[in-house]
Amino acid sequence: NAGVTQTPKFQVLKTGQSMTLQCAQDMNHEYMSWYRQDPGMGLRLIHYSVGAGITDQGEVPNGYNVSRSTTEDFPLRLLSAAPSQTSVYFCASSYSRVGGETQYFGPGTRLLVL
Amino acid sequence: GEDVEQSLFLSVREGDSSVINCTYTDSSSTYLYWYKQEPGAGLQLLTYIFSNMDMKQDQRLTVLLNKKDKHLSLRIADTQTGDSAIYFCADSGDDKIIFGKGTRLHILP
Repeated sequence: NAGVTQTPKFQVLKTGQSMTLQCAQDMNHEYMSWYRQDPGMGLRLIHYSVGAGITDQGEVPNGYNVSRSTTEDFPLRLLSAAPSQTSVYFCASSYSRVGGETQYFGPGTRLLVL
Repeated sequence: GEDVEQSLFLSVREGDSSVINCTYTDSSSTYLYWYKQEPGAGLQLLTYIFSNMDMKQDQRLTVLLNKKDKHLSLRIADTQTGDSAIYFCADSGDDKIIFGKGTRLHILP
């Protein structure tokens, strides 16, 4: 198993550009989520999904869109990037919504918005 | 909304025990977690505890849960240089896992 994969590893965008951060898992996990990590702020939940076709907002959803057309993929879209979206983005997945099962994290995408 | 609080820094001498504390607000928590993040890496689940347990031990790690006070702690016995990392407390409730801001553990020689 590859686990949770994220692409790209690094990205530089100009203000106003759009892009999609890719996340995929090959463990047949139902639950997937996106977090952003900023210094001194810990991890903040952006969006999450409890299964294909179902998504919901987390703590900081503004400026981001998600979709979940398949169990494996959970892309995060930035429609019009802003400098405040400079961050490290982590995708995570687990078997169930919450529970003792391990939540697997991807390696992260480092995004710089100029 | 739910909140998870933890101190930002902890310095411990090599060989001593480290104790990282966390408080949470969600009454409906089912599981509480401790994650470790090493520099430049993602988060790795260290251990978790079910909300009806008081203590869980796993080798050098001991988790204590005081549900009445909504207080969680992680004790690392015989702290080593490889334990230097950021440790995140996390709380599960409803469909979400909420993380604290992380405690950076610094090991003194």
